[in-house]
Amino acid sequence: AIQMTQSPSSVSASVGDRVTITCRASQGIRSDLGWYQQKPGKAPRLLISAASSLQSGVPSRFSGSGSGTDFTLTISSLQPEDFATYYCLQDYTYPRTFGQGTKVEVK
Amino acid sequence: EVQLVESGGGLVQPGGSLRLSCAASGFTFNSYWMTWVRQAPGKGLEWVANIKDDGSEKNYVDSVKGRFIISRDNAKNSLSLQMNSLRSEDTAVYYCARDLSLMILLRWYDAMDVWGQGTTVTVSS
Repeated sequence: AIQMTQSPSSVSASVGDRVTITCRASQGIRSDLGWYQQKPGKAPRLLISAASSLQSGVPSRFSGSGSGTDFTLTISSLQPEDFATYYCLQDYTYPRTFGQGTKVEVK
Repeated sequence: EVQLVESGGGLVQPGGSLRLSCAASGFTFNSYWMTWVRQAPGKGLEWVANIKDDGSEKNYVDSVKGRFIISRDNAKNSLSLQMNSLRSEDTAVYYCARDLSLMILLRWYDAMDVWGQGTTVTVSS
């Protein structure tokens, strides 16, 4: 199975900060990657698919980039509602695999 | 309103069985692949299985192969996960999700765009 490694595991940030989360695949996955946001006790929410395609209704402060093995999720100006855990997911092959998650915490 | 509602979770002894269900509404169920994802307490997300829109193709994570069976009833807009030979490590919140297939620049991509609220499975004696 393809391993997805996210870094950092957690990040402390303030409202207005720029936050960058990376996801590395153990082998090339083209652009077959999505990003999900999850808040405590809630179901995940799709933010980005195909590495960089913003899902309808998702604020434009979220952006994704990358292809092959290295991917990035950027929040350009962190808002109070963005404190959450973020996961990448490869949809290149089966089984699908998630990264271990990155928790964005209040600094 | 597009909605997925899971049910069927509960407490079961190791080696036991449980059947989860997911009721879909607000969209054309038989046009979408569907997925189960789980999350153990305090842990990250784990993709479990998915099934094609017509039920003809199924995929599983290795840890559940031979124990779990994903199925669907398109006439009833329902997705199921039959879980057998349950182990303590199967303890988790189980989510069903809709697979959205997107064509971008002549390539297809998959993503899970609608999720249920989850149902909790606890495997313990």
